[in-house]
Amino acid sequence: SYELTQPPSVSVSPGQTARITCSGDALTNQYAYWYQQKPGQAPLLMIYTDNERPSGIPERFSGSNSGTTVTLTISGVQAEDEADYYCLSTDSSGTSFVFGSGTKVTVL
Amino acid sequence: QVHLVQSGAEVKKPGASVKVSCKASGYRFSVHHIHWVRQVPGQGLEWMGRTNPSGESTTFAQKFQGRVAMPTDTSTSTFYMDLSSLTSDDTAVYYCAREDKLGTIDVWGQGTLVTVSS
Repeated sequence: SYELTQPPSVSVSPGQTARITCSGDALTNQYAYWYQQKPGQAPLLMIYTDNERPSGIPERFSGSNSGTTVTLTISGVQAEDEADYYCLSTDSSGTSFVFGSGTKVTVL
Repeated sequence: QVHLVQSGAEVKKPGASVKVSCKASGYRFSVHHIHWVRQVPGQGLEWMGRTNPSGESTTFAQKFQGRVAMPTDTSTSTFYMDLSSLTSDDTAVYYCAREDKLGTIDVWGQGTLVTVSS
């Protein structure tokens, strides 16, 4: 079955830049989405269709796609950004959705 | 404002079935698909499947095919997720989430904890 690969953890100091990658073969022709999840809460949409930011999401969050890898970038990380982040996409048929394994962002 | 309100926590015995509900409000029910996603405690998000509002068009993750159903009740704007033959591995928080017109999963329910224990 199709898989999306993320690093288990990323650590970053406040004010620095965090980059979270998500790799999968079908990302060349399927959109990616990014979700933030804090303990005890439902996921929150941060980025849709690779690089669009929903209203209300801070500008420091951005997304990019470079073929089989998509990246969520958090510029000027704040303490409140400490959370788990998941990418979401579909297989090459576009019918079966898959979440990445998740990345825990720790703000030092 | 869009809301998805799920039913309360459940405790089930191994081999039983569970039915989780998700009541939609604040948008046109007939337009948007609903996804079901689960999260085993301490683990990541797992996509289970998707249904259209009428329940007539569904797609399930291969892992759950044969023991999951996603019926809907258009009269009450409610979606359901039925999972049968439960084992302790099914202990998880189950979420419903709406898909918008562009295919984005944008709004989530609050989650329902299902505990499977003898």
